[in-house]
Amino acid sequence: GAVVSQHPSRVICKSGTSVKIECRSLDFQATTMFWYRQFPKQSLMLMATSNEGSKATYEQGVEKDKFLINHASLTLSTLTVTSAHPEDSSFYICSARPNMVYEQYFGPGTRLTVT
Amino acid sequence: AQSVTQLGSHVSVSEGALVLLRCNYSSSVPPYLFWYVQYPNQGLQLLLKYTSAATLVKGINGFEAEFKKSETSFHLTKPSAHMSDAAEYFCAVRHSGGSNYKLTFGKGTLLTVNP
Repeated sequence: GAVVSQHPSRVICKSGTSVKIECRSLDFQATTMFWYRQFPKQSLMLMATSNEGSKATYEQGVEKDKFLINHASLTLSTLTVTSAHPEDSSFYICSARPNMVYEQYFGPGTRLTVT
Repeated sequence: AQSVTQLGSHVSVSEGALVLLRCNYSSSVPPYLFWYVQYPNQGLQLLLKYTSAATLVKGINGFEAEFKKSETSFHLTKPSAHMSDAAEYFCAVRHSGGSNYKLTFGKGTLLTVNP
């Protein structure tokens, strides 16, 4: 149980285009979903927290107009990287937390490369 | 604010040897602590968690960790390393306050296992 999927697993896009990444909780309802960014050989950096039906809460320094997060249902959250630039290239990981549970369950990650 | 420090960015052991990965925490309230493992190009998998119950916590794959309040530590151990244990390990602490249960991660420790 507690499986989280991400799609796509890998995406290459041209500079200036937008990319959408989906995060789904497959066998539970996620009260909260989190989006992280991970640079090579570094730790996870929390970008934003989203609750179903509410606006996402972004961490300090994260551009909310660039990283659009939508948490439309209890099983789906999306991250859209708008007007992507090469410096947005990274590994993006989502996680989901069921109601009344402490731990987060992580998706397999999405490798974004902007050329 | 809660934080964790992982001592040693890289630990190398021989197959069959003891694995010890160090994590120290800083928290103004009783912490909830987690250890996650990440294999290359994958998301994070929960190994074990401490949520103020037993101080010795057993996890998956033969790992365990002991919460020591006097030392503010939550070190991860495994009696005998397997080649399959080679991965990146992250210690994390849950933020106190709020209802979203955000996590702060340490910088990670890369474990290599030599044959």
